[in-house]
Amino acid sequence: QVQLQASGPGLVKPSETLSLTCTVSSYSISSGYFWGWLRQPPGKGLEWIGTIYHTGTTYYNPSLESRLTMSVDTSKNQFSLKLNSVTAADTAVYYCARDEEFERGPVGWFDPWSQGTLVTVSS
Amino acid sequence: EIVMTQSPATLSVSPGERATLSCRASQSVSSNLAWYQQKPGQAPRLLMYGVSTRATGIPARFSGSGSGTEFTLTISSLQSEDFAVYYCQQYNNWPPFTFGGGTKVEIK
Repeated sequence: QVQLQASGPGLVKPSETLSLTCTVSSYSISSGYFWGWLRQPPGKGLEWIGTIYHTGTTYYNPSLESRLTMSVDTSKNQFSLKLNSVTAADTAVYYCARDEEFERGPVGWFDPWSQGTLVTVSS
Repeated sequence: EIVMTQSPATLSVSPGERATLSCRASQSVSSNLAWYQQKPGQAPRLLMYGVSTRATGIPARFSGSGSGTEFTLTISSLQSEDFAVYYCQQYNNWPPFTFGGGTKVEIK
């Protein structure tokens, strides 16, 4: 059964870069599916950040696109997120999740999800 | 961007009773609508996709209906483990994929 684990620093300073990695186990990301990042500010709702394929093809939320870079490392079975110029508004629990694949594109529903990792932006 | 609106924000229900949660899209999302359940301190769990297809392991007391802009998640007989927050999400017009603000189902 596929499992995902998100990891990274829990504290990032304003204007710096937030970096997170998602490690996938019991499934090779090169075999298919798309892989996404989502976040949830404390006490608030869910926001889709972006999705990546093992080829490196990416799909970003337009509201974050100018600050966002996603990448994949198939040798480590991992995919990553970098969000630069962070502010307090980027404080959230970040999740990685698997997205279904259909006709070489993401479908857009996510299952399963990782446990979240809280990232706080503060000096 | 498609805006998803859920109602009510909080639903108070007694165990064993039926719960009906609503989700409205700002424009048609066809049948490209998913539901998630989130318990405190946990990640969301996919309940339903394609409006009415239950995800693996989801009990039959959960059902979904609707199309276009109006959708409903029904829990036929609430169990103690069903008290949680529920989110709808559209994946028809993207980017971005968008979520509703959630409905909290609490014990009455």
